[in-house]
Amino acid sequence: EPEVTQTPSHQVTQMGQEVILRCVPISNHLYFYWYRQILGQKVEFLVSFYNNEISEKSEIFDDQFSVERPDGSNFTLKIRSTKLEDSAMYFCASSGRTGGGETQYFGPGTRLLVL
Amino acid sequence: AQSVTQLDSQVPVFEEAPVELRCNYSSSVSVYLFWYVQYPNQGLQLLLKYLSGSTLVKGINGFEAEFNKSQTSFHLRKPSVHISDTAEYFCAVINSGGYQKVTFGTGTKLQVIP
Repeated sequence: EPEVTQTPSHQVTQMGQEVILRCVPISNHLYFYWYRQILGQKVEFLVSFYNNEISEKSEIFDDQFSVERPDGSNFTLKIRSTKLEDSAMYFCASSGRTGGGETQYFGPGTRLLVL
Repeated sequence: AQSVTQLDSQVPVFEEAPVELRCNYSSSVSVYLFWYVQYPNQGLQLLLKYLSGSTLVKGINGFEAEFNKSQTSFHLRKPSVHISDTAEYFCAVINSGGYQKVTFGTGTKLQVIP
């Protein structure tokens, strides 16, 4: 069964450094998303992406965040200058056109720790 | 705007006993409803979903949920839990148009006691 994959599974970085989180969505999906889950808190929406542009973003997704689909398979989240409060689990998700696109399938997540 | 309320942050239950995890939602538009499960140190796995039709939906691992529009609820049930069901369960909604953000509840930790 096709699934969303994410790399790395864990990332430790110093405050102020740039990080890039990578995702490979399900191959025939067209809609891509990033969410994050701060430890002990609920999963929060960051951004959605379709047709090579952002379709919606939350107030969390400020100028230090960016997303890109650099090729036909990868979907990336870049944090330009990490802060301590960026420490969280980051989930990528994708949904397809068939079946209404309503069901988002999530990857296993990247646990980011900012020191 | 939408919101999802999971009033029970933790639910302890003995093995082989039934369980119900409660979920209520609020939305000004029609929504689709989901339950996701997160096993320790893992990602989010889709358990079941309600899009339309029969209000009783069945999912994986013997779970089922019932959509109640008048009570704006989507409670998750299992008649007999196993140790392996120990996990965190998230109720979630999305506008029925799809392709939009999922709004999650705060999660309920199910602790199955041997």
